[in-house]
Amino acid sequence: AQKVTQAQTEISVVEKEDVTLDCVYETRDTTYYLFWYKQPPSGELVFLIRRNSFDEQNEISGRYSWNFQKSTSSFNFTITASQVVDSAVYFCALSEALGGRRALTFGSGTRLQVQP
Amino acid sequence: KAGVTQTPRYLIKTRGQQVTLSCSPISGHRSVSWYQQTPGQGLQFLFEYFSETQRNKGNFPGRFSGRQFSNSRSEMNVSTLELGDSALYLCASSPFVENTEAFFGQGTRLTVV
Repeated sequence: AQKVTQAQTEISVVEKEDVTLDCVYETRDTTYYLFWYKQPPSGELVFLIRRNSFDEQNEISGRYSWNFQKSTSSFNFTITASQVVDSAVYFCALSEALGGRRALTFGSGTRLQVQP
Repeated sequence: KAGVTQTPRYLIKTRGQQVTLSCSPISGHRSVSWYQQTPGQGLQFLFEYFSETQRNKGNFPGRFSGRQFSNSRSEMNVSTLELGDSALYLCASSPFVENTEAFFGQGTRLTVV
């Protein structure tokens, strides 16, 4: 069975601080995909990144960066110089790769509040 | 390019009634998935459809059903509503490319009273 754990329920930072959101996953699959989604108050889930299990290269996109470590089954997300607009709930998710089944297993989410 | 459209956005139903929610995927996307989001259980997968066929189903009772039409639009139905069915129901679409990212709609917030 697959499982995603986001131990941080809520994080509050002051604008311009860096913040890291943790994600730990469990799966018996050797090939899988990891995702991060952002959910603003409007409700829709906004895709941020996808990583496959064979690609452990870290990725940076503007103020966002992701650290994938297969050895510790972690896929952490860092926001550098946070802004008020980053306030949202962030979800880490996992899906199996075989057969093209896209069912996502989500973590419980981390609510990020960025104070001005 | 229009995003995923879910209707209605808000719905209030009485316990015991049934409800139908609609989802129009992004043009060209042939796969539609549904998720339920509640404060207690979080985001849970309901089912996935591709080419009018259910390809995958989550662990929900038979009161939850869905279908997909030839134009890829999808509906989900919940019969004999229970208070615990109150949730945000999210639809996601993706092209039939293995494990590409899913694009979500804004959801339908269902309240059962």
